[in-house]
This record gives sequence, C-alpha cells and structure tokens, in this order.
Amino acid sequence: GEDVEQSLFLSVREGDSSVINCTYTDSSSTYLYWYKQEPGAGLQLLTYIFSNMDMKQDQRLTVLLNKKDKHLSLRIADTQTGDSAIYFCAESDWYGGSQGNLIFGKGTKLSVKP
Amino acid sequence: DGGITQSPKYLFRKEGQNVTLSCEQNLNHDAMYWYRQDPGQGLRLIYYSQIVNDFQKGDIAEGYSVSREKKESFPLTVTSAQKNPTAFYLCASSTGQGVSYEQYFGPGTRLTVT
Repeated sequence: GEDVEQSLFLSVREGDSSVINCTYTDSSSTYLYWYKQEPGAGLQLLTYIFSNMDMKQDQRLTVLLNKKDKHLSLRIADTQTGDSAIYFCAESDWYGGSQGNLIFGKGTKLSVKP
Repeated sequence: DGGITQSPKYLFRKEGQNVTLSCEQNLNHDAMYWYRQDPGQGLRLIYYSQIVNDFQKGDIAEGYSVSREKKESFPLTVTSAQKNPTAFYLCASSTGQGVSYEQYFGPGTRLTVT
C-alpha cells in the first residue's frame, strides 16, 4: 500500500539550515505537502508542491522534489527556535477526477538549539 | 474568525464508557476528517465525510462511530469497543475539491481513558 517515510528526529543550531527528508511509494501522487505541528496543537499547512514541479520556494522554505527517486525535502533557512516542531510530509493522489485522502508520514521532530 | 473548533481540549473517561468528541467548522467546507495521533505513529485516518449525511471508514475505524447531520459538525464517538482509546484526536476539514487539498486542522482533543 501507500507509504510515506521520514526520519523521526533532527537537531540543528539556531541560524543553521534544516533539511527534513521524506520518501513516498505511490508513483501516482499528484500533490505533496509539508505540515507543521507545534506541541499540543493541530497541524498547519506550510507548503505544498505539485508533482510536475521540481522546486518551490516560499520565503525561508524550499521544497525539492525528485520524482524519479520519490524523494521530497523541506529546507528551512536560518532556522529559529520558533521552528521547533514536528514536521509531517503527506501525499495525495487523484481517483476518478477527485483527490484522494492524505497519507501522512510519522513526522520529524525538529529541535533547534540556541 | 473562520476555523475549526474541537472541544474539550482534555477529556478523561473511565474504561467501558462511550465518549463523544466535538468538531465544528465555520469554513463552509464540504469534507471533514477525524485522525488519531499516537506518539511516533503520525496521523491515522479514522473516518471521513465528503458531504452531509455520508461518511466512510478510514484505516482504523473499528471502535469508533461518527455522524454528519450538519455541514458544520462531525462528532466522533469513541466506544467501549475501542481497545486502546487513549490518544490525541484531530479533526480537519477541506473544500474537498480544487487544485490543492489543504486540510485545516482543529487544535485537537487529548483523550485519556483509565
């Protein structure tokens, strides 16, 4: 079945770049997403990328997509302590002209040290 | 302000009791979802509803029930048949159509059953 894999932990120093990686198995995925979850809260959509794109940049966030390897990454430039959170990768695809449900990875916990 | 509300934030129940978690949205979204989150497990889909008076089982529906009598509301009942109900429960909604599939999440309800 469909699966999304992420490493569980990442620790960086404030001001460094963070790179969170994700691999997925469904080759028909059309949209790939990055969500952020702060402690005890719901998920917030950070950004998404359509499968015909290789890269998307949004301020400090850069998403890279390698369709051949089914690999997605999220780079956070100049990481701040406020970026400490769990980051979820998710995919969706199309079934008969409508979007399927989201499949989430287990989340990567980013810790930013001052 | 438009958004999704879940209540209560913390809920405690004795084993063997049914409990209903509330989810309300005023975003005029057609689709609503319930997820369960356990530490290190990511999000798992319990039930979803794409339209009023219709809902489908997700990956882990056993021991749960839902209703969708109104567009704004999608309550989740955790029954005594759910063997391990202690978890963080997240409700989400989306337009269910269009080119992106952004799901808006509520703040979550942490259920503890003893």
